[in-house]
Amino acid sequence: DVKVTQSSRYLVKRTGEKVFLECVQDMDHENMFWYRQDPGLGLRLIYFSYDVKMKEKGDIPEGYSVSREKKERFSLILESASTNQTSMYLCASSGSTGAYEQYFGPGTRLTVT
Amino acid sequence: LAKTTQPISMDSYEGQEVNITCSHNNIATNDYITWYQQFPSQGPRFIIQGYKTKVTNEVASLFIPADRKSSTLSLPRVSLSDTAVYYCLVGDGGTGRRALTFGSGTRLQVQP
Repeated sequence: DVKVTQSSRYLVKRTGEKVFLECVQDMDHENMFWYRQDPGLGLRLIYFSYDVKMKEKGDIPEGYSVSREKKERFSLILESASTNQTSMYLCASSGSTGAYEQYFGPGTRLTVT
Repeated sequence: LAKTTQPISMDSYEGQEVNITCSHNNIATNDYITWYQQFPSQGPRFIIQGYKTKVTNEVASLFIPADRKSSTLSLPRVSLSDTAVYYCLVGDGGTGRRALTFGSGTRLQVQP
C-alpha cells in the first residue's frame, strides 16, 4: 500500500513564526502536492512538484514556499505564519500516470495564534 | 482548467442508489474525469476515473455522455459508511505537470 506520512497531525504556532510541514511518500512517486482545506472551500492547491527540485504554483501560493530536495520528501514552508493560515494541510503524491490518482496523507491541522 | 459544478449536498437512505451529477461544460479534449471520496478527518481517496461512456469498478460506476459536458457518479445500494464528501475533478492530469483542481464537493448523508 502507498503510504504518505505527514510530520504532525496537530500543530500550534504563533503569528510570525516560520513553520515547516513535512511530507514523505514511500512509493517512489514523481508528483507531490500540497493542499489546504477549509470549511466550505474544499481543497485548494498550494504548490505541486513533478520532479526533484521542480515546483509549480497552485491556486493559492501566496505566503507559502516549498522544497523538494529528495524524491520522497516535499516540504511546505510558511515563512511568517499568519492567523489566516490556520487550516488543515494535506499532502498527496501520484505516480507516472500523472495527477489522476493521488494518494493523500492524514493531514496536519495547523492553528496559528 | 475546466470548472466543475456539483450539488453542495445530498441525502439518501441505506440501500438506495445514489447518483451525483457533475457539470463541466468547458472540458477539454485531453481532460479526464476523476472522482474522489473524503471521510471526516481523512485525506481524499480516489474512487474512479473515466474519459467517455461508462466505467465501473468495485466501488462505483461513472457515466459520461457523448458530449462529455457532464458526468454522473453512481453508488449502488449505499450504506451508512458511504457518508462522505465526493469531489468531481476534470483535468489533464496525465502529463504529471498539471494538477487537478478540487472544488467544494458534494456532501452525501446516508440515513438508516
